[in-house]
Amino acid sequence: GQNIDQPTEMTATEGAIVQINCTYQTSGFNGLFWYQQHAGEAPTFLSYNVLDGLEEKGRFSSFLSRSKGYSYLLLKELQMKDSASYLCAVRGGSNYQLIWGAGTKLIIKP
Amino acid sequence: GAVVSQHPSRVICKSGTSVKIECRSLDFQATTMFWYRQFPKKSLMLMATSNEGSKATYEQGVEKDKFLINHASLTLSTLTVTSAHPEDSSFYICSVGQGASYEQYFGPGTRLTVT
Repeated sequence: GQNIDQPTEMTATEGAIVQINCTYQTSGFNGLFWYQQHAGEAPTFLSYNVLDGLEEKGRFSSFLSRSKGYSYLLLKELQMKDSASYLCAVRGGSNYQLIWGAGTKLIIKP
Repeated sequence: GAVVSQHPSRVICKSGTSVKIECRSLDFQATTMFWYRQFPKKSLMLMATSNEGSKATYEQGVEKDKFLINHASLTLSTLTVTSAHPEDSSFYICSVGQGASYEQYFGPGTRLTVT
């Protein structure tokens, strides 16, 4: 079957760094996405990885290892507004559907 | 990225009635649209994929006669929840994608409450 795992909840301190991991098992792989979702709102796109390695975009970076079925989202210089759920999603087949993880709720404390 | 709107943003209806939710792609010709539902503190669950001018493809376990999807144009898809029941109360979100584009653009979501 197809499966995406991420931690349910994480807590970090304002100004610090946090890494949110995602492991996946899918039939086929055509890219991995990270989305941010604030409570009561729709997800917003953060990053996309299709090749191995690190993609950096400002305070956020995303890493992919296809051989390990593993990705992480790294958030630096955490701000209170970063408190949200972070969703990992994989495009597994030949269509454009995404397979979604359950999301990681990130709580930022002062 | 594409701008996607949904209407209404919130709706409360009585059990047994039908509710229509619209998803519009404002600046993007959306050949493919996706409908999701999300329960509190849960991840997105894909309900169906609709392709402009053809029938929607429903995910396993989703009743196509209950959740009617119409994608009559490149800018509009509608989801109608027929004979709604309290268990249909959820957050419904649409997203659009086109051809080789790898990113999905999400609408703001519709909060449905069935009393």
